[in-house]
Amino acid sequence: EIVLTQSPGTLSLSPGERATLSCRASQSVSSSLTWYQQKPGQAPRLLIYDASKRATGIPARFSGSGSGTDFTLTISSLEPEDFAVYYCQQRTNWPLTFGGGTKVEIK
Amino acid sequence: EVQLVESGGGLVQPGGSLRLSCAASGFTFSNDEMNWVRQVPGKGLEWISYISSSGGTIYYADSVKGRFTISRDNAKNSLYLQMSSLRAEDTAVYYCGEYSGRIWGQGTLVTVSS
Repeated sequence: EIVLTQSPGTLSLSPGERATLSCRASQSVSSSLTWYQQKPGQAPRLLIYDASKRATGIPARFSGSGSGTDFTLTISSLEPEDFAVYYCQQRTNWPLTFGGGTKVEIK
Repeated sequence: EVQLVESGGGLVQPGGSLRLSCAASGFTFSNDEMNWVRQVPGKGLEWISYISSSGGTIYYADSVKGRFTISRDNAKNSLYLQMSSLRAEDTAVYYCGEYSGRIWGQGTLVTVSS
């Protein structure tokens, strides 16, 4: 099973600041890495797929990078609606696995 | 409107069974691979099962293998999860979702408790 480790667990930032979230895989997932945003009481929302491709309707302030085992989700300038929990997921091997999540909270 | 709507959640005793349904609309369900994902309240996401568009390929997480069965009826635009031998640790919100991650249901809460 591929283990995804997200860091940090919590990121405390102010609106307008840059957020950098990390996802590290226990073995290579090539570029098959997906990022989701989840707000309380809501289903996950697809942000980034194939490591760097923005999903339909996702603002340009969200970007993804990386390949192999190290991946980054960057939010260039936080908007109030971006404070949420972010998960990475790999779809290279079964079972599909998610990282433990990074909570981006208002400082 | 593209949507998935889960139903069938509720309170069940340990060892009991429950069947979740997921109704699809607004897209060509029969073309899409589907997943079930669950989330213990306040915790992270856990993938539990996958089914291909035709239903011919199925995978399960070890945590549910032998107890849960995924199925679909493309004529009814519906996905199912038959859960048996339920345990307290199966208590979670259960989401159906398209494999690509584009479309998710709102989730249905399953509580396993005596």
